[in-house]
This record gives sequence, structure tokens and C-alpha cells, in this order.
Amino acid sequence: KAGVTQTPRYLIKTRGQQVTLSCSPISGHRSVSWYQQTPGQGLQFLFEYFSETQRNKGNFPGRFSGRQFSNSRSEMNVSTLELGDSALYLCASSLLGLTYGDTQYFGPGTRLTVL
Amino acid sequence: GIQVEQSPPDLILQEGANSTLRCNFSDSVNNLQWFHQNPWGQLINLFYIPSGTKQNGRLSATTVATERYSLLYISSSQTTDSGVYFCAVGSNFGNEKLTFGTGTRLTIIP
Repeated sequence: KAGVTQTPRYLIKTRGQQVTLSCSPISGHRSVSWYQQTPGQGLQFLFEYFSETQRNKGNFPGRFSGRQFSNSRSEMNVSTLELGDSALYLCASSLLGLTYGDTQYFGPGTRLTVL
Repeated sequence: GIQVEQSPPDLILQEGANSTLRCNFSDSVNNLQWFHQNPWGQLINLFYIPSGTKQNGRLSATTVATERYSLLYISSSQTTDSGVYFCAVGSNFGNEKLTFGTGTRLTIIP
């Protein structure tokens, strides 16, 4: 079974731009969660989507948004990029999602650098 | 929200040694997972263990939910065990999410 895939793997943007990251979950998984990892803040939860609906949300500003498609693929968008948005963005998929305490399977991540 | 503390923050061991990593959490959880992050950033799920004991080869984990801690044991360490080990917990009290600890950086010296 193919694992979680994320595209692109690396991205360089400038302040003020916007960016869209993509995550394809393991086949059959309906939950996709997004996380931001930085040296200063560690791993932080952004949001979770399940069956095209945002089910849980972390403490990030509205510049961070996401969506999920009917095939469970998910995209995350960050608008008006700031230097502090430079991070490794990870997505994870699971069968039932965080509400049911399900095992999370992570993708390789997208490393975003904001100049 | 839930607080997660991991200890020790850093651990340097000779190949072949055994180690114990600890994760303390501040509230009841319905989800606890251990992950290994390799040098390329990939997070690999080691155990899903909200309670009880599990073993997988040289690795084992125990969670004592009533006392709010979990332990990850690595026996006969190999250089490929190097990386950062994270404990992550989740609860079903409202806004569900996985809260990660700050990790234990393990370095195995040949």
C-alpha cells in the first residue's frame, strides 16, 4: 500500500506571497491532519479534515487554511507569507481520525523557506 | 491544553547499549503514539499505545495511563536508531488534536 505523499518537497517563496501544499493520504484513509514543525516551536497541530469537513483546528491565524477533496486528498494554503512561516509542513493520514484516537501515518513533509 | 514533557532531551550512547525514554503528560488521553523522526525529517510511527505494553523487535513501550506517563525502551541500540523520538498525545475532550512533546534526540556512536 502506498504511503502518504506530499508535494512539493521543497519550496522557496518571498514575504507576502501565498503558497499551496498538497497531501495525498493512504488509500482508504479519510482523515488528513496538518502540522507545522519549527526549531523554536516544535511540532504544532494546524487542522484536521475528515470527509471534506474541517473537524479540528489548532491555534494558527486565519492565513492558514485548508480543504479536502472527495478523494480525500488535502491542500493547505498559507496567504501573505511571513518569515516565521518557514518550516517543515507535515501531513498525516488515518482511517478514523483524531476523534477516535487513530494511528497517524505521516508523509515526508514539505520544507517551506520564506525569504 | 495538555502538556507533554519528554526526558532526557539528549542521549548519547554507544552501539549495543540499552535506553529508556520517558513521556509525561498532564491529563487523561485516549491517544498516545511514539514516533521516530529520521535525519531526513520523516516521522515514522513506532507504537500506538494509549495504555498497556507493546513490543516490536528491539523496541517496546509501556503506558501507565493512570499515572500519566509512557516509556519507550530501545535495546541493543544500532546507529540507525539515531534521530529524534517524539511522544504525541491526544484527548477527546472537545477540540481533538495531537500534542507533541519536545522530543529526545538520540545519538548512537559506533
